[in-house]
Amino acid sequence: QKEVEQNSGPLSVPEGAIASLNCTYSDRGSQSFFWYRQYSGKSPELIMFIYSNGDKEDGRFTAQLNKASQYVSLLIRDSQPSDSATYLCAVSLSGTYKYIFGTGTRLKVLA
Amino acid sequence: NAGVTQTPKFQVLKTGQSMTLQCAQDMNHNSMYWYRQDPGMGLRLIYYSASEGTTDKGEVPNGYNVSRLNKREFSLRLESAAPSQTSVYFCASIRGPYNEQFFGPGTRLTVL
Repeated sequence: QKEVEQNSGPLSVPEGAIASLNCTYSDRGSQSFFWYRQYSGKSPELIMFIYSNGDKEDGRFTAQLNKASQYVSLLIRDSQPSDSATYLCAVSLSGTYKYIFGTGTRLKVLA
Repeated sequence: NAGVTQTPKFQVLKTGQSMTLQCAQDMNHNSMYWYRQDPGMGLRLIYYSASEGTTDKGEVPNGYNVSRLNKREFSLRLESAAPSQTSVYFCASIRGPYNEQFFGPGTRLTVL
């Protein structure tokens, strides 16, 4: 059974701090990794994807991938109360069109 | 562009009733997916369609059927609803070449 693991949280950070969200996955052949943000009662919204080892930056968001350790993370710089949401990690399964989602980490940014 | 649309937004069924959840996308994407989301369980794949004319089972297909009516539309049918199918259902379509998923607003289904 392929898995994606996330700490459910809540992760509480003060406004302006860096929030660090982590995800591990079991499928060594996975090639594509995604971070989604989901506000309560809403649908998931894609915020970042990463394919290569290393860092990928987009505005206040940085995704980090380490395939050897099977680890992907999301950093949110200058966290804002509007960043308070659940963040879902998703991984594409090798050789398939399927995706596995983690259960999400709930982030609370305190004003 | 409306993106991915789903109908209905809310539905209450009695055990044994049937219904079809509708999904449509106007982004010309080839692949479409149906997920359910339950508290503490994350998003679980029910069925997917990699391209028009094909459908495949996901992680939790039992009790469901799908139809890829055309490139735009992908429906999910519950033939005989059970309380265990109470959930939020999301449809998604995939944009290549990086396979980003775009989700619809969801259908909140309660089976009594």
